Amino acid sequence: DAKTTQPNSMESNEEEPVHLPCNHSTISGTDYIHWYRQLPSQGPEYVIHGLTSNVNNRMASLAIAEDRKSSTLILHRATLRDAAVYYCILSGNTPLVFGKGTRLSVIA
Amino acid sequence: DTAVSQTPKYLVTQMGNDKSIKCEQNLGHDTMYWYKQDSKKFLKIMFSYNNKELIINETVPNRFSPKSPDKAHLNLHINSLELGDSAVYFCASSPPRGWGGYTFGSGTRLTVV
Repeated sequence: DAKTTQPNSMESNEEEPVHLPCNHSTISGTDYIHWYRQLPSQGPEYVIHGLTSNVNNRMASLAIAEDRKSSTLILHRATLRDAAVYYCILSGNTPLVFGKGTRLSVIA
Repeated sequence: DTAVSQTPKYLVTQMGNDKSIKCEQNLGHDTMYWYKQDSKKFLKIMFSYNNKELIINETVPNRFSPKSPDKAHLNLHINSLELGDSAVYFCASSPPRGWGGYTFGSGTRLTVV
């Protein structure tokens, strides 16, 4: 499975935008880029996914580099409820493989 | 309505016992999964299953077996429980690749004593 690299942790102030980076230099042409998050004591939650174009939904935006070797999850206004571990995962033909993710802390 | 529901939420049992965790999804997804999250918080795929194919992670002991009575259910049966089996187990389901993301249940915390 193609691997992703994310910072271990990030911190943000409440109500400010957050940009969570992910590197995936070995991505294949058919891999989707998925983002999930896991809030404390909950199951992982789907956030967004994309293939080549940038994507927006009610939770976040996904910006994908033109060469697809990196992507950024954008939370437009962080709230305390966004504090979680965020996982960037490449989805091929096999089940999702979770890495360590980025632990996002939000400061009031 | 809960999209992916697991029961029980908590399970405490003695070593050597056999137990089952049930999972049901009402999303109409074809593929279901079991993941294990250990004390270090790593999420590992155990099984994926659709009505055609069971894919087993080769590191999963054969004491663990998925059972699917129908497309909406994927239960996890565990024989001869060991202390190391203590973890949180998550069930998930997904639509066809590219259509959307996985939906996870809220987890079953298994404690083996």
